[in-house]
Amino acid sequence: NAGVTQTPKFQVLKTGQSMTLQCAQDMNHEYMSWYRQDPGMGLRLIHYSVGAGITDQGEVPNGYNVSRSTTEDFPLRLLSAAPSQTSVYFCASSYRSTGELFFGEGSRLTVL
Amino acid sequence: AQSVAQPEDQVNVAEGNPLTVKCTYSVSGNPYLFWYVQYPNRGLQFLLKYITGDNLVKGSYGFEAEFNKSQTSFHLKKPSALVSDSALYFCAVPRDYKLSFGAGTTVTVRA
Repeated sequence: NAGVTQTPKFQVLKTGQSMTLQCAQDMNHEYMSWYRQDPGMGLRLIHYSVGAGITDQGEVPNGYNVSRSTTEDFPLRLLSAAPSQTSVYFCASSYRSTGELFFGEGSRLTVL
Repeated sequence: AQSVAQPEDQVNVAEGNPLTVKCTYSVSGNPYLFWYVQYPNRGLQFLLKYITGDNLVKGSYGFEAEFNKSQTSFHLKKPSALVSDSALYFCAVPRDYKLSFGAGTTVTVRA
């Protein structure tokens, strides 16, 4: 039972590069979301989706894009990486928006 | 707006002593409240949730939380802490199709 799988676990980028963080879940959850975690700031929501084909912005969406073409996958794209995007990123899913969230193991991104 | 606050950045206790991690909430209507734990270099794990009913909620790993409406609090408790309970703890509340997290409390349990 894989749960929520994130790849890659670690990534180093140069300023201006683009990349995609992958997230997949095998629990048939409708709700998926991306958070970033920074020291002293807790978790901040980047984007979320309430179902395939539906996405919306969270608290800190600038510089990130998402899409939800299938129930299982919810990739996060960094369009032009900046040092301020150095962070640990977590993907999460749940059966509904007010339910228990299942988190991936995280992706640590460093932008030089 | 629905929100939670964790007034303590850090909590230090000795192994075997009671552990309390504080959370206060600001919620209109009947609140849903959650606790999550994050062990080093891991994702968050669900501990417990309050929806309605008993004010004392039991969760994973021997943790429980007490919902107190008059004090707008939802403190996480464990009667006897273990060194392995050392982790980062978050309380959370649903808000507009998402969970809003507190800033987190780092718990250190010394042997």
